[in-house]
Amino acid sequence: DAGITQSPRHKVTETGTPVTLRCHQTENHRYMYWYRQDPGHGLRLIHYSYGVKDTDKGEVSDGYSVSRSKTEDFLLTLESATSSQTSVYFCAISDTNQPQHFGDGTRLSIL
Amino acid sequence: AQTVTQSQPEMSVQEAETVTLSCTYDTSESNYYLFWYKQPPSRQMILVIRQEAYKQQNATENRFSVNFQKAAKSFSLKISDSQLGDTAMYFCAFMKHVRTSGTYKYIFGTGTRLKVLA
Repeated sequence: DAGITQSPRHKVTETGTPVTLRCHQTENHRYMYWYRQDPGHGLRLIHYSYGVKDTDKGEVSDGYSVSRSKTEDFLLTLESATSSQTSVYFCAISDTNQPQHFGDGTRLSIL
Repeated sequence: AQTVTQSQPEMSVQEAETVTLSCTYDTSESNYYLFWYKQPPSRQMILVIRQEAYKQQNATENRFSVNFQKAAKSFSLKISDSQLGDTAMYFCAFMKHVRTSGTYKYIFGTGTRLKVLA
């Protein structure tokens, strides 16, 4: 299995607080992605990275920011969490012409 | 824009029988990849099978096989000899290379929930 670790696995927080989710890989893959999974929507892309300090927006990027200062780490930040951001968040990695491999997900609840 | 459609939100099958999950997609690309992922109750996303669009032969992985119809833009997954452990959400996904940015774009369907009955 691809070496991808997401932390934390579960988090409960309050509206208005900042939240950071971490994705760590040991595969040295170039591409990293953050998705959110909600019932009826499948997986929706939030942000992705194609190299250190190279990131771009996905289809649901409002309210989220990312950073990638090292190949192995990709951070997702909710600047001021809202209840609509309650979701399961997945990190994925991939290499050239390869399928994505996913972390185990983070369940985030915002009260 | 590319889209991926899974028209069966839920399906069930008896243990040991065969079931087919449907997926259609829309693209103007000629080179792309298609995947099926399985998400059991544990929430992990597990790659089941992949198909390169330039290959005419349908991919097979043990009990899992696909029926890839490029002209019809259809990519169905057949599970033979269904087992209780096949109970999961199944996602169809499309991938293409974006030449302008050098990145890869993935589009996922909304999933089909499969329940295998004992």
